[in-house]
Amino acid sequence: GQQLNQSPQSMFIQEGEDVSMNCTSSSIFNTWLWYKQDPGEGPVLLIALYKAGELTSNGRLTAQFGITRKDSFLNISASIPSDVGIYFCAGLGLYGGSQGNLIFGKGTKLSVKP
Amino acid sequence: DTEVTQTPKHLVMGMTNKKSLKCEQHMGHRAMYWYKQKAKKPPELMFVYSYEKLSINESVPSRFSPECPNSSLLNLHLHALQPEDSALYLCASSQVGASYEQYFGPGTRLTVT
Repeated sequence: GQQLNQSPQSMFIQEGEDVSMNCTSSSIFNTWLWYKQDPGEGPVLLIALYKAGELTSNGRLTAQFGITRKDSFLNISASIPSDVGIYFCAGLGLYGGSQGNLIFGKGTKLSVKP
Repeated sequence: DTEVTQTPKHLVMGMTNKKSLKCEQHMGHRAMYWYKQKAKKPPELMFVYSYEKLSINESVPSRFSPECPNSSLLNLHLHALQPEDSALYLCASSQVGASYEQYFGPGTRLTVT
């Protein structure tokens, strides 16, 4: 089945630093989504990408849909403490892309550098 | 408005109890979903409703029974659960189709004792 490889699994941030994470797949996706989840809460949609090569920003967040349709990355610029949490990438499949075929990466956990 | 609401926020139930989780959205979405999420894992799809009809059941045990009474509401009826069913249960909604983003509710933290 389709799988997403999300990296890094975890990272520590210091306020003001830029952060990058990415997702790759062996399969093609026609939509990439990035979510952030705080402990005990539901995932919040950050950015949705629909076209290969598309670059979309949401405040300090920027995400890109890879031109091969098999990868996506998320950048956070000038991180702040409230950026901590778990970030999930998710892809909607091109084939077998029936309703609800949302494939999640395993998440990237952002923590504050001690 | 991109809000999906879920009640209750927390639920503790015994293995012989019957309880229900509720989800509501007013975004005009005609697809609604139930996901189960264990700690430190991504959400796992359980059920999908499209136009109020069950379209996907990801081999979920019958002790979980979904219901979609109308286009805004989604219920998950629980009966004879096991301790391993303890998890965060998430509801989501989207437009119908294979390319539309899903919006999640805050979840119900379920503990089975």
